[in-house]
Amino acid sequence: QKEVEQDPGPLSVPEGAIVSLNCTYSNSAFQYFMWYRQYSRKGPELLMYTYSSGNKEDGRFTAQVDKSSKYISLFIRDSQPSDSATYLCAMSPGDDMRFGAGTRLTVKP
Amino acid sequence: ETGVTQTPRHLVMGMTNKKSLKCEQHLGHNAMYWYKQSAKKPLELMFVYSLEERVENNSVPSRFSPECPNSSHLFLHLHTLQPEDSALYLCASSQDVPGGQYNEQFFGPGTRLTVL
Repeated sequence: QKEVEQDPGPLSVPEGAIVSLNCTYSNSAFQYFMWYRQYSRKGPELLMYTYSSGNKEDGRFTAQVDKSSKYISLFIRDSQPSDSATYLCAMSPGDDMRFGAGTRLTVKP
Repeated sequence: ETGVTQTPRHLVMGMTNKKSLKCEQHLGHNAMYWYKQSAKKPLELMFVYSLEERVENNSVPSRFSPECPNSSHLFLHLHTLQPEDSALYLCASSQDVPGGQYNEQFFGPGTRLTVL
């Protein structure tokens, strides 16, 4: 079993849709949970960061962590064509980071 | 220049060539990383340097040789690569804080490497 599982997609949605991206993991030591966004020909950039379980909201983006289920989610409301990118989940026990494979998202106008 | 820069952005090399990738961070960080990103695979951590000392080497083949002359610069020297080494090579930096706390990593744009 991979330490972090993420469906690579691709995922295509119409503009304005609610997008749900997910990752599962197996290491119960993970405490820090991140979502990175990577545009084409760019490096990943940190989008959301959550410590332990719970929800975090930032504008149109909501990150959820359920440590009991070892499951994290990123929701994008009112999706825009500019949200088209690859979204990578990442998690860490504190010093080392493990990444998912990334989900390629296209938002069509 | 701001953030993390990488050169070249694209590189095509034969299996017998020797080349080097360069990374420079302008953020005042003291830790730097090399990652390999292949299509539909998770980022693979290759090397970690903290305060210019290598602290992690994830069983990377010896045809990849890192060098960190100071806290702002990181190189990846390449020789006798294989076609399966073709990938996007990303450099990142962070402020390394002892005690196992998470520190945000800032990534460069990557070097797209093709090995013929």
